[in-house]
Amino acid sequence: IAGITQAPTSQILAAGRRMTLRCTQDMRHNAMYWYRQDLGLGLRLIHYSNTAGTTGKGEVPDGYSVSRANTDDFPLTLASAVPSQTSVYFCASSESSGRGTDTQYFGPGTRLTVL
Amino acid sequence: GNSVTQMEGPVTLSEEAFLTINCTYTATGYPSLFWYVQYPGEGLQLLLKATKADDKGSNKGFEATYRKETTSFHLEKGSVQVSDSAVYFCAPNAGNNRKLIWGLGTSLAVNP
Repeated sequence: IAGITQAPTSQILAAGRRMTLRCTQDMRHNAMYWYRQDLGLGLRLIHYSNTAGTTGKGEVPDGYSVSRANTDDFPLTLASAVPSQTSVYFCASSESSGRGTDTQYFGPGTRLTVL
Repeated sequence: GNSVTQMEGPVTLSEEAFLTINCTYTATGYPSLFWYVQYPGEGLQLLLKATKADDKGSNKGFEATYRKETTSFHLEKGSVQVSDSAVYFCAPNAGNNRKLIWGLGTSLAVNP
């Protein structure tokens, strides 16, 4: 069982380019999340999905979009990258979102640099 | 609003020393409390959790007790190892959507 996979592992991107970060889980979890991790700011939630077909905004959603066409995949798209989006991006999943006791499982992260 | 405060790092200890990382929180409702650990170059993984008052979570020699009266969830380990060097995150969940509220993380370096 792989858990959560993310691709690419790292990427250098020119400002203004479009980029999709991929996330796939094989645990059949209902809820999925995208975070960014920046030094001194900790983890911040970008978008989440409580179940396939639904998405919601986290605390820093501007400049990002997500979709959840099926249970396993939760891609994050930067429509027009800017240097402030340079960060490490983590995808996570949990069995549900409403119970509050569920563990979130994290992928290995994607290191994105926007120049 | 909902928030969490962790002691600032970096924390540097010698092997076999006692570790405490303080965590206090403000959260609506009755949150579950989590400690996650991030080893160098990796994603976060659950270290331990507690879901109700006075529960003690434990794993890999680490412990934390849910203290509702002081809204705290301090992480302790009696004897740290070099392999414990990592960043530790305290995270209660809160609010109607039960999302995790993340602390800034405490970096721990254990020297042999």
